[in-house]
Amino acid sequence: QKEVEQNSGPLSVPEGAIASLNCTYSDRGSQSFFWYRQYSGKSPELIMFIYSNGDKEDGRFTAQLNKASQYVSLLIRDSQPSDSATYLCAVYYYGQNFVFGPGTRLSVLP
Amino acid sequence: DGGITQSPKYLFRKEGQNVTLSCEQNLNHDAMYWYRQDPGQGLRLIYYSQIVNDFQKGDIAEGYSVSREKKESFPLTVTSAQKNPTAFYLCASSRPSGNTEAFFGQGTRLTVV
Repeated sequence: QKEVEQNSGPLSVPEGAIASLNCTYSDRGSQSFFWYRQYSGKSPELIMFIYSNGDKEDGRFTAQLNKASQYVSLLIRDSQPSDSATYLCAVYYYGQNFVFGPGTRLSVLP
Repeated sequence: DGGITQSPKYLFRKEGQNVTLSCEQNLNHDAMYWYRQDPGQGLRLIYYSQIVNDFQKGDIAEGYSVSREKKESFPLTVTSAQKNPTAFYLCASSRPSGNTEAFFGQGTRLTVV
């Protein structure tokens, strides 16, 4: 069975610090990798996607993918209180579906 | 505006009743998905459909049923066989290719009363 694992947290960081979120996946047949942010009671919204090994930067966010280690991470620089949310890692399997991790709850302290 | 619309936003079900959650998209996406989320948990796949008139069970399909008669619609029925249906239900859609994201509706919160 395809599985995606994340530390559930909560992860607490002070405002302005770097938040590091990690995700591992079980199936090497994975195709694409996504990070979603979900505020309480709301639906997930896409933060980053990454398809190839290496780093991908978008503003304050950097996604890192290492397919050999089956590992995906998300770095949030200059963390803000508005970044406080649950971050979901998702893996897409071609022609099938998206498998989501349990999410990591991030709290950015003012 | 293109997007996914779920209705209703809140739904209350009595014991023994079937209820149907609506999901409509105008993104022209072939693939659609239903996920269930319990408090403090991640998303678990109920059913998914890659094409009209075809759908597959996900990890927790027992007690649920779906149909996919039109490309833009993928309703989910929660039957009386689902013993613990209280949860947040999310519908999503995507293009059927590897490099695509899942777009989500606003969700339906179902409560058994």
